[in-house]
Parts: sequence; structure tokens; C-alpha cells
Amino acid sequence: EVQILETGGGLVKPGGSLRLSCATSGFNFNDYFMNWVRQAPGKGLEWLAQIRNKDYNYATYYAESLEGRVTVSRDDSKSSVYLQLNSLRAEDTAIYYCTRGYNLLDYWGQGVMVTVSS
Amino acid sequence: DVQMTQSPSNLAASPGESVSINCKASKSISKYLAWYQQKPGKANKLLIYSGSTVQSGTPSRFSGSGSGTDFTLTIRNLEPEDFGLYYCQQHNEYPPTFGSGTKLEIK
Repeated sequence: EVQILETGGGLVKPGGSLRLSCATSGFNFNDYFMNWVRQAPGKGLEWLAQIRNKDYNYATYYAESLEGRVTVSRDDSKSSVYLQLNSLRAEDTAIYYCTRGYNLLDYWGQGVMVTVSS
Repeated sequence: DVQMTQSPSNLAASPGESVSINCKASKSISKYLAWYQQKPGKANKLLIYSGSTVQSGTPSRFSGSGSGTDFTLTIRNLEPEDFGLYYCQQHNEYPPTFGSGTKLEIK
């Protein structure tokens, strides 16, 4: 059974940083691209970032709206993917989801809440 | 990026009824449209992809249709567990983009 679990969310002050983790199991992690998607309160889903697998040299892609404030990485030995969020703003308050896939996102975690507030 | 317009935003129906949710792409996405179900405290569930291909585990009362720019998710004979949020997403082009969601509520 595919399992995806995000951790690391919480309350952070504007301008602060946070690192989200995503642990996976139940599939060959090395074979898959992984993504982060977020959902602000009462809003829709927004794709943020993707990291491809070793076959694609771990290439990374980001939504233009993030303006270089995020970095995605992965550790194949731990079947995990990470999202570093910097220079956080109130509008970054959202549930952050880890998902599997290229552009069809077939498995999702339950998400982790990030609240940016003073 | 491809813009996705989803309608209606809200929908109320009774168990046993049938409902349809629409999704329109800003340009042709061929058949590459997915539908997801979102429920509080649960992982988003992929229901249908490539317009009409039912993901393993999706009940047969769910069906998808459409191509090009216009797509529809139909749920027949609604069950109580079907109430929640539904999102469309195009998977023809990178990056993936989503509709704004439809909240399906019990009437």
C-alpha cells in the first residue's frame, strides 16, 4: 500500500523559514517524480515544485509564484522528499501536500499545515 | 499555464440522485483531464484520469467524459460517502493546473 506522510508544519513568523518532510513507503521511490502542492484556507490547489528521479538527474522545477523562496530535495535512501520554505509570508499559510507523479498526481499525503503569523 | 475553470462551485443533491461537474480548459488538453476527491483529514483521491479512465478502486458510479477543452464528471446514484470536494486537473501540459473545486453537499 502506498503511504505518504508529511511532517514539519507549524507556526512560523513572517520572514522565517521551515523545512517540510515527506516520508513514503509502499512503492519504489527511486522510480518516481515527487511534488509539493499547497492549498490556502478556503482556496484551491496550487502546484509548487517537482523533483525528478536519478534517471533525470534529480532535476527540479518550481512554480513562478514562489520567486525562488523554496527548494525541493530528496533522499532516495530514505524514500523521502523535502521542501525548504524561506522568507515566509502570510499568504504562504496553507496545507502543504506531498504527491507522486509527473503531471498526473496519483497518490497524495494528508498534508501538513503551515501558518505564517506574528 | 493552462487555466482550468470548474463549475458549479457548489452543488447540493440527495443520496440516490445523479450529479455532473464541469471543467473547462483555456486551451485544448486532448483527453488529459483528471478528477480528484477531497475529504477532511484524508488524502486526496484520484478518481479518473485521461478524461474517462477510472482509477483502480473508484466505484463504478463515477464516470468521466470529454476531450479538448470541455470535460464532465458524473456521479450516478449518490452515496453518502460521495459528499465532499471535487477538483479537476489537467495533466496534458507541465505544470499541472487545477480547477477551483466543487463542493458537493447533501440536500
